[in-house]
Amino acid sequence: GQSLEQPSEVTAVEGAIVQINCTYQTSGFYGLSWYQQHDGGAPTFLSYNALDGLEETGRFSSFLSRSDSYGYLLLQELQMKDSASYFCAVNSWGKLQFGAGTQVVVTP
Amino acid sequence: ETGVTQTPRHLVMGMTNKKSLKCEQHLGHNAMYWYKQSAKKPLELMFVYNFKEQTENNSVPSRFSPECPNSSHLFLHLHTLQPEDSALYLCASSQDSSQGEGNQPQHFGDGTRLSIL
Repeated sequence: GQSLEQPSEVTAVEGAIVQINCTYQTSGFYGLSWYQQHDGGAPTFLSYNALDGLEETGRFSSFLSRSDSYGYLLLQELQMKDSASYFCAVNSWGKLQFGAGTQVVVTP
Repeated sequence: ETGVTQTPRHLVMGMTNKKSLKCEQHLGHNAMYWYKQSAKKPLELMFVYNFKEQTENNSVPSRFSPECPNSSHLFLHLHTLQPEDSALYLCASSQDSSQGEGNQPQHFGDGTRLSIL
């Protein structure tokens, strides 16, 4: 079957670095995506990894290891506006399978 | 982002009512999706339409009936719903759902918060 595991909540202070891990089991794996969702808002696309390695987009970076079925999202220089839920999603046979999400709480 | 618009934002209905959720995308995409989001649970894919054709029905009960008259509009018709159907219903679009490889991010609407009395 298919499954994704990510922590339910992470708390950190402004300016800190947070790493959200995601492990998955799936068939037909094409890539791993990350989405951000603020309370009451729409999920918004952050990044996509199809190949092993690190992808950097500003303060956010995403990593993938296909051999380990593992990826992570790295949030650097945390800001209050980064408080949100973050979802990893496996692209499997052209469909997205989402994890349950990680609530990131940024404190002053 | 106003690329994907969903109406209404909130809906309260009784179990015997019939209502419809509407989604419209202005991104020129060819694929549209319905998801259900319940608290503390992963987004659940319900339906996929690609070029107006339904390509995925993820074992959704028949009390949910989708309609896609064109690539820009998607509806979800609701009837005889149950209390456990209370959730946030999200619509999304992407360029093409048939391309498995490659980065085709999905663009989501703000959702309709549905409450069943």
